[in-house]
Amino acid sequence: DAGVTQSPTHLIKTRGQQVTLRCSPKSGHDTVSWYQQALGQGPQFIFQYYEEEERQRGNFPDRFSGHQFPNYSSELNVNALLLGDSALYLCASSSPVWSRGTQYFGPGTRLLVL
Amino acid sequence: GENVEQHPSTLSVQEGDSAVIKCTYSDSASNYFPWYKQELGKRPQLIIDIRSNVGEKKDQRIAVTLNKTAKHFSLHITETQPEDSAVYFCAAGTSGGATNKLIFGTGTLLAVQP
Repeated sequence: DAGVTQSPTHLIKTRGQQVTLRCSPKSGHDTVSWYQQALGQGPQFIFQYYEEEERQRGNFPDRFSGHQFPNYSSELNVNALLLGDSALYLCASSSPVWSRGTQYFGPGTRLLVL
Repeated sequence: GENVEQHPSTLSVQEGDSAVIKCTYSDSASNYFPWYKQELGKRPQLIIDIRSNVGEKKDQRIAVTLNKTAKHFSLHITETQPEDSAVYFCAAGTSGGATNKLIFGTGTLLAVQP
């Protein structure tokens, strides 16, 4: 039973560029949440996808967007990268929202913006 | 807004001693309180969680207590071992509703001295 997977593991971009991060949920899970974890901080909620729709969004600008595919995998897109976007981006999957909803994290993508 | 405060930020104990980490949440609608352990460079891993219909939950050397009236919850680790050394995050969220985003605390760096 595969856990949550993310790609790529590391990424280096320059200011102004765009980036796409990918996540495959744990088998049997259909809800994907994205979090940003700055160095030395707790994860901060970006948004959550269920049934291919964004269901809830945290306090992040519109430069952050996402998508969920019919197979429940998800992408996080960040446009016009800023230095402050450098962080570990974590994807978490959970079972249907009407059930217990425990979230399991992937290994993350470490993004460095120069 | 929604907020989770976590104390202490660092905790150093001798092997075999107990460790206690405390969190306070602000959103009275929160009904789900997980704890994650994050080792350096790795993903957050769920170690225990508690829901608002119970006041305490134990799993071997780990226990969590919840006081909904005071909006406090705590993690207790007994008989600490060097492999318990990591950053621990508390979180608060809602489960069973439309979404289940998690609000994380700022983390506690636990160092268990052999």
